[in-house]
Amino acid sequence: SSELTQDPAVSVALGQTVRITCQGDSLRSYYASWYQQKPGQAPVLVIYGKNNRPSGIPDRFSGSSSGNTASLTITGAQAEDEADYYCNSRDSSGKGVFGGGTKLTVL
Amino acid sequence: EVQLVESGGGLVKPGGSLRLSCAASGFTFSSYSMNWVRQAPGKGLEWVSSISSSSSYIYYADSVKGRFTISRDNAKNSLYLQMNSLRAEDTAVYYCAREWEGDYWGQGTLVTVSS
Repeated sequence: SSELTQDPAVSVALGQTVRITCQGDSLRSYYASWYQQKPGQAPVLVIYGKNNRPSGIPDRFSGSSSGNTASLTITGAQAEDEADYYCNSRDSSGKGVFGGGTKLTVL
Repeated sequence: EVQLVESGGGLVKPGGSLRLSCAASGFTFSSYSMNWVRQAPGKGLEWVSSISSSSSYIYYADSVKGRFTISRDNAKNSLYLQMNSLRAEDTAVYYCAREWEGDYWGQGTLVTVSS
């Protein structure tokens, strides 16, 4: 089965740039989607497709992909960006898969 | 406004069954694929199942295949998850999410499997 691997935790200084990565074979064929989840809340889609932001998502969030790695970049991280971030994709059989999640701490 | 509201969660004994529902509003439900995603307490997200807009394509995670059944009723704007042979490891908050990308999510319903 397909797997997506994320670093468990990442930290960034307030106002600095942070990149959260997601690795997996399925990413060679399919784009990743990225979700932000704050404690006690449902996930929120922040990036999908090549680099698309849903309405209401700040433009400091961006996505990119190269080979088997997808990245979520937050340029100028804010205190409110502190959350868990998950990547998601599909494999060739149509099954979905999530990464294990990255806890982002804004210092 | 897009709204997804899950219901049907609760406490069930191992081996039992439960049917979750997701009521959709604010969009043309019949035009969108739908998903179930779960999150065990303190754990990450786990994709459970997806169904295409007309129910032509259905997919399951290996962990639930043969025990769970996803379905939808486009006339009632509703998504369902029939869960049979429940196990302790199925304990989680179950979310429904719209579209393959999961652009909108409900607030979730808690399923607890315990004796």
